[in-house]
Amino acid sequence: DSGVTQTPKHLITATGQRVTLRCSPRSGDLSVYWHQQSLDQGLQFLIQYYNGEERAKGNILERFSAQQFPDLHSELNLSSLELGDSALYFCASSLGGPFTDTQYFGPGTRLTVL
Amino acid sequence: AQTVTQSQPEMSVQEAETVTLSCTYDTSESDYYLFWYKQPPSRQMILVIRQEAYKQQNATENRFSVNFQKAAKSFSLKISDSQLGDAAMYFCAYRTWGLTFGEGTQLTVNP
Repeated sequence: DSGVTQTPKHLITATGQRVTLRCSPRSGDLSVYWHQQSLDQGLQFLIQYYNGEERAKGNILERFSAQQFPDLHSELNLSSLELGDSALYFCASSLGGPFTDTQYFGPGTRLTVL
Repeated sequence: AQTVTQSQPEMSVQEAETVTLSCTYDTSESDYYLFWYKQPPSRQMILVIRQEAYKQQNATENRFSVNFQKAAKSFSLKISDSQLGDAAMYFCAYRTWGLTFGEGTQLTVNP
């Protein structure tokens, strides 16, 4: 158990809908990262937040957004969902250093778009 | 842009034997970090080992060790005394702001 929690574990929704994925980092970690694992694209880094502020962006679509709240939990919002958005979405957390620290992964949220 | 390549989509090893998984990467940076993550059937991503690029000494964690060749941009993972529980997908990853992952190597351990 990494100490990173994600809810829900599974989510099934329809095309065009909007969903919110939630992540709580390990105690003491200030950085939260979102990654997507799909059959087509493999594992991709989406976005990082550090202590409430966006720190880095990866391959995140404009239909997706994220935020980190004062209690350091984070939410990933996915809107206008398409079939291709079906994937396993991981949250990871780290102490905060951009290059030096290790990311610890949560169990993931499996999103199925029908 | 950084890229990470794992050229072996699948590997197999006999229990108790040694296997090496390959990884190469491309970067213009001089200071960076490299990781191997393991993803068993549960899909949980588990850190196996990490290597700081400025360190010449290869990292070791119990039965897991790396062969880091900075000039060649190579970062292979050696698993000694393979166990059934080592069966998983293994991802090599390059760390800067986020993580850049390789395509993964599916390791099968035969009893």
